[in-house]
Amino acid sequence: GAGVSQSPSNKVTEKGKDVELRCDPISGHTALYWYRQSLGQGLEFLIYFQGNSAPDKSGLPSDRFSAERTGGSVSTLTIQRTQQEDSAVYLCASSSGYRGPYGANVLTFGAGSRLTVL
Amino acid sequence: AQSVTQPDIHITVSEGASLELRCNYSYGATPYLFWYVQSPGQGLQLLLKYFSGDTLVQGIKGFEAEFKRSQSSFNLRKPSVHWSDAAEYFCAVGSFSGGYQKVTFGIGTKLQVIP
Repeated sequence: GAGVSQSPSNKVTEKGKDVELRCDPISGHTALYWYRQSLGQGLEFLIYFQGNSAPDKSGLPSDRFSAERTGGSVSTLTIQRTQQEDSAVYLCASSSGYRGPYGANVLTFGAGSRLTVL
Repeated sequence: AQSVTQPDIHITVSEGASLELRCNYSYGATPYLFWYVQSPGQGLQLLLKYFSGDTLVQGIKGFEAEFKRSQSSFNLRKPSVHWSDAAEYFCAVGSFSGGYQKVTFGIGTKLQVIP
């Protein structure tokens, strides 16, 4: 697609329920990132995908969080047994994944999924 | 480990006044540096980036930033602020490690513009 698409844009859930957040990256982008944005905390890195594999999942805060990516495209972030501290905006970004001529490339972000856990 | 410090959480400026948002980074080698802007309810939009070359980089919306290696800084500037510039601004540092690009963001600076 033309941009990074995330759904749902807003999700309200009860404590203890599972939620799935979806990210559809820019077509052809092989790298995909998930970040979490909590009030006053900036952007916290969660996980990175290159293709379908996740070489860096060091930012996942607990084993309740998991993510997968299929077909080198769509990614799903799953939070099991949600807690109130999981309330945040979850941002997805994608990039070409290839080291450009200057050694880096730009991340393009989606609008985010706002999760509220009651 | 790389890190970014944005020392100002909130800044208020008058419309038409000049603006400087501070950013300091920590990284051992030459970093890749970014400034992003986030309007309410929106994702992050790239304002400008520094990868190499000229240390003064121009971005969209009249913004510029200067990379100063000696000070480990990448401050964002605009000569005359418009009310539409009210938003949150994030500085970020990137590097390649283990074959992938790691991008670390600062905590953000929220800009308020008053008439």
